[in-house]
Amino acid sequence: EAQVTQNPRYLITVTGKKLTVTCSQNMNHEYMSWYRQDPGLGLRQIYYSMNVEVTDKGDVPEGYKVSRKEKRNFPLILESPSPNQTSLYFCASKMGLGHQNSPLHFGNGTRLTVT
Amino acid sequence: AQSVTQPDIHITVSEGASLELRCNYSYGATPYLFWYVQSPGQGLQLLLKYFSGDTLVQGIKGFEAEFKRSQSSFNLRKPSVHWSDAAEYFCAVVASGGSYIPTFGRGTSLIVHP
Repeated sequence: EAQVTQNPRYLITVTGKKLTVTCSQNMNHEYMSWYRQDPGLGLRQIYYSMNVEVTDKGDVPEGYKVSRKEKRNFPLILESPSPNQTSLYFCASKMGLGHQNSPLHFGNGTRLTVT
Repeated sequence: AQSVTQPDIHITVSEGASLELRCNYSYGATPYLFWYVQSPGQGLQLLLKYFSGDTLVQGIKGFEAEFKRSQSSFNLRKPSVHWSDAAEYFCAVVASGGSYIPTFGRGTSLIVHP
């Protein structure tokens, strides 16, 4: 089954403790992206990747890191989480260049709470 | 750069009533347009998309949307809403002649009363 898998679904942590949220897709998609969703603000893009070893900042990249060492994986790293990073996070993927009309496929989300 | 506006933050309808969710975009040429639905506790799922041809597109779950170039709109409709349609709905646009990075509207929360 074609899917985007995020782990964990729920995460509670303390300020400053490094964490990683994993994302994996099995559709051979070139493009992958991370979003955060907050009430009243919709989806805001954190980072995206056009292909392996190619990443770029989205609208709200501060406090986050990503890597794209393999096509299927795109982990989101919070080196020193702060309470303002408490949010619902989504990973998504789609076909890349030349496929503008292909839709995004989303994971089921990771709800992160930073105390 | 393209932008998307969903003017309604919340919409409340009664079960069985018709529904229209508004979406307006800003882009110089004809973009690719998408509607996604987010059910509680779930990720976003594609409802329908438009990229060329017939301006009335059909999607899953009985939804349809109409592209109106003159109004820069891509409104989502359903003739009879079911309680299970209660969800968050997002409109998104992709520039047809450039970056394929989608831009999302802020979403419309649909509340369905029995």
